[in-house]
Amino acid sequence: AQTVTQSQPEMSVQEAETVTLSCTYDTSESDYYLFWYKQPPSRQMILVIRQEAYKQQNATENRFSVNFQKAAKSFSLKISDSQLGDAAMYFCAYRNPRYNQGGKLIFGQGTELSVKP
Amino acid sequence: EAGVAQSPRYKIIEKRQSVAFWCNPISGHATLYWYQQILGQGPKLLIQFQNNGVVDDSQLPKDRFSAERLKGVDSTLKIQPAKLEDSAVYLCASSLYGLAVNNEQFFGPGTRLTVL
Repeated sequence: AQTVTQSQPEMSVQEAETVTLSCTYDTSESDYYLFWYKQPPSRQMILVIRQEAYKQQNATENRFSVNFQKAAKSFSLKISDSQLGDAAMYFCAYRNPRYNQGGKLIFGQGTELSVKP
Repeated sequence: EAGVAQSPRYKIIEKRQSVAFWCNPISGHATLYWYQQILGQGPKLLIQFQNNGVVDDSQLPKDRFSAERLKGVDSTLKIQPAKLEDSAVYLCASSLYGLAVNNEQFFGPGTRLTVL
């Protein structure tokens, strides 16, 4: 069974600084998708960034980028130039693209990020 | 475009009572998911619908939880009878085609259930 582990329950960063959130996962599949979701206190889960396992190039979305290490099964999120609005719970998630897996997301436990002004 | 709607936003009940949650997905989205998010944990899938058929309900406690998606649009999740451990946020999500490889799930605001 696939599992996702986030070992940092809480992280803190100074405004305008850079922070990296860690995520590891376990799977026997060679093709899959990885995601980072942001959940602000209002609880609406928002997709931050997505990585396809077959792509070697790390995904980037503006200030957000990932470091995808397939052999190490590691998928970290880097937030550059942190802003107050980045404060939220961040979840790493895995998705098995096989048809019979239905497309469900398997989430890690989350990392609560606080941003200090 | 309207997002995923859920109601109620909050619900407090006594144990052994019943409760129902409602979800209206984004228009045109064929796939609907119900996740349970216990405090301090990541969401866990309870059930997934493709149109009005069930794709995955392997983690749904079927002795007390039930869900339906009539006409392939709105969905209702019911708990009867509720237990203390059912206290959680129940998230609804939808996507265009759940089984497609490149398919984003959009989440609703959730319903926070407290069982006393």
